[in-house]
Amino acid sequence: EPEVTQTPSHQVTQMGQEVILRCVPISNHLYFYWYRQILGQKVEFLVSFYNNEISEKSEIFDDQFSVERPDGSNFTLKIRSTKLEDSAMYFCASSEGDETQYFGPGTRLLVL
Amino acid sequence: GENVEQHPSTLSVQEGDSAVIKCTYSDSASNYFPWYKQELGKRPQLIIDIRSNVGEKKDQRIAVTLNKTAKHFSLHITETQPEDSAVYFCAASNGWYGGSQGNLIFGKGTKLSVKP
Repeated sequence: EPEVTQTPSHQVTQMGQEVILRCVPISNHLYFYWYRQILGQKVEFLVSFYNNEISEKSEIFDDQFSVERPDGSNFTLKIRSTKLEDSAMYFCASSEGDETQYFGPGTRLLVL
Repeated sequence: GENVEQHPSTLSVQEGDSAVIKCTYSDSASNYFPWYKQELGKRPQLIIDIRSNVGEKKDQRIAVTLNKTAKHFSLHITETQPEDSAVYFCAASNGWYGGSQGNLIFGKGTKLSVKP
């Protein structure tokens, strides 16, 4: 069964550094999402993306965040200048156009 | 915006018993309600979902009920097994209404422990 994949699985960075989290959605899916989960808390919506454009974004997704689909398979989340509070698990999800979203395994980001 | 409340935050049952987790939502436009199971350190896995045109859906030992009038939905697990132990999240979405892309708003999760 096809699955969403994400790299890296873990990332440690210094505060103020840029990080790029990568996702490969399920191949026939066209709708992509990023969510984050701070340790022990609920999953929170960050941004949705379709047809090379952001569809919606939450209050969390400020100017420090950006998303891109650089080629036909990857979907990336960039954080330009990381803060301590960006430490979380970041999940990518994809959908083929109905409501069902499939989540990747996540990238655990630790900002020191 | 949508707000999803989930109860209880922790639930402990004996193997073979039933478990019920309840969620309420605030946005009457929400029309899609998935449940995800998350084992420690792993991705959320969709286990069952229900759309607003249906009142109940069942898949083997798992069932979900939806009361649109009261704006609440519940997950029912029967004959629980130790491998059912995990954190369960409910979520709500208004699908593709009004230009939205079905973004999921999650509850805070229920940690289910099934004791052998």
